[in-house]
Amino acid sequence: DTAVSQTPKYLVTQMGNDKSIKCEQNLGHDTMYWYKQDSKKFLKIMFSYNNKELIINETVPNRFSPKSPDKAHLNLHINSLELGDSAVYFCASSPATGLAGQETQYFGPGTRLLVL
Amino acid sequence: DQQVKQNSPSLSVQEGRISILNCDYTNSMFDYFLWYKKYPAEGPTFLISISSIKDKNEDGRFTVFLNKSAKHLSLHIVPSQPGDSAVYFCAASGAGGTSYGKLTFGQGTILTVHP
Repeated sequence: DTAVSQTPKYLVTQMGNDKSIKCEQNLGHDTMYWYKQDSKKFLKIMFSYNNKELIINETVPNRFSPKSPDKAHLNLHINSLELGDSAVYFCASSPATGLAGQETQYFGPGTRLLVL
Repeated sequence: DQQVKQNSPSLSVQEGRISILNCDYTNSMFDYFLWYKKYPAEGPTFLISISSIKDKNEDGRFTVFLNKSAKHLSLHIVPSQPGDSAVYFCAASGAGGTSYGKLTFGQGTILTVHP
């Protein structure tokens, strides 16, 4: 009964390939996020969706495209993978509390992407 | 431009003693602060949070203190246990606008609790 799940957990691929990471939450939350943890261990937000609508889009290359088929899923598709895309990608979700900016986010286990 | 900073990369504490993890921020628009704990190969786990209208929030062995004028918060763990050994991340968010839901994280502090 994992709350926020991601697949795959590990992904090793060649430069130039296209890959997808899937995220699902069974918490009934309205908002979902993608974060990237780089080699320096900083966690930085990439995107967030609220009820399938994009609400945050940080400065991320347009090779990265999030897709939310429903509010329980937020997938991340990456085109033309580059060496610098190697990182751990975390999905998260949060409930609507009515207090904008005060939602606690719950994280998935992460997907470790290695681009060779 | 690091808006949330955890200046101690690591902290080592004896079991049973107090662990104090510190966090500083620069953005005065932040009004909600959270602490997350992360074990290797797992995602961050929410620990405790505090709104800027409070200066203290307590949950069992964990207490978070917020000093708004100094833009500083700290997490106290008393008593510390070996199972508390993990990386602790401080995070902050602001109200509404384009910052809606966006958490800004510090770089983390590795806590080691020795038996």
